[in-house]
Amino acid sequence: GQNIDQPTEMTATEGAIVQINCTYQTSGFNGLFWYQQHAGEAPTFLSYNVLDGLEEKGRFSSFLSRSKGYSYLLLKELQMKDSASYLCAVSDSNYQLIWGAGTKLIIKP
Amino acid sequence: GAVVSQHPSWVICKSGTSVKIECRSLDFQATTMFWYRQFPKQSLMLMATSNEGSKATYEQGVEKDKFLINHASLTLSTLTVTSAHPEDSSFYICSARFTDYNEQFFGPGTRLTVL
Repeated sequence: GQNIDQPTEMTATEGAIVQINCTYQTSGFNGLFWYQQHAGEAPTFLSYNVLDGLEEKGRFSSFLSRSKGYSYLLLKELQMKDSASYLCAVSDSNYQLIWGAGTKLIIKP
Repeated sequence: GAVVSQHPSWVICKSGTSVKIECRSLDFQATTMFWYRQFPKQSLMLMATSNEGSKATYEQGVEKDKFLINHASLTLSTLTVTSAHPEDSSFYICSARFTDYNEQFFGPGTRLTVL
């Protein structure tokens, strides 16, 4: 079967760095997405990785290792507004997105 | 970037009535649109995938006669919740995708409350 695993909840301090991990097992692979979702709102796109390595975009970076079925989202210089759920999703062989359950990130002052 | 709108953003209805939700791609042609449902504190659940001009493909456990999906044009898909019941109360989100392009662009969601 297809499976995406990510931690349910994480807590971090304002100004710090946090890494949210995602492991996956899917039928085929056409890229991995990270989305941010604030409570009561729709997801917003953060990053897309299809090749191994690190993609950096401002305070957010995303890493992919296809051989390990592993990705992480790295958030630096955390701000209170970063409190949200972070969703990992893998595009399978049919370009269908397989979603993780999301990681709720709580930022404390 | 690509913009997807949904209407209405929220709706309250009586049990037994039907509700229609519209999803529009505003600045691109979306050959594929997706409908998701999200209950509080849970992740997105794909309900169905709809391709323009053809019947929607429903995920297992989703009643196609209850959740009617129409994708009549490249910029519009509708979801009709027929004979709504309180357990259908949820956050319904659509997304759209270009042809041959991977990313899904999400609408802002519609919060449905059935009394």
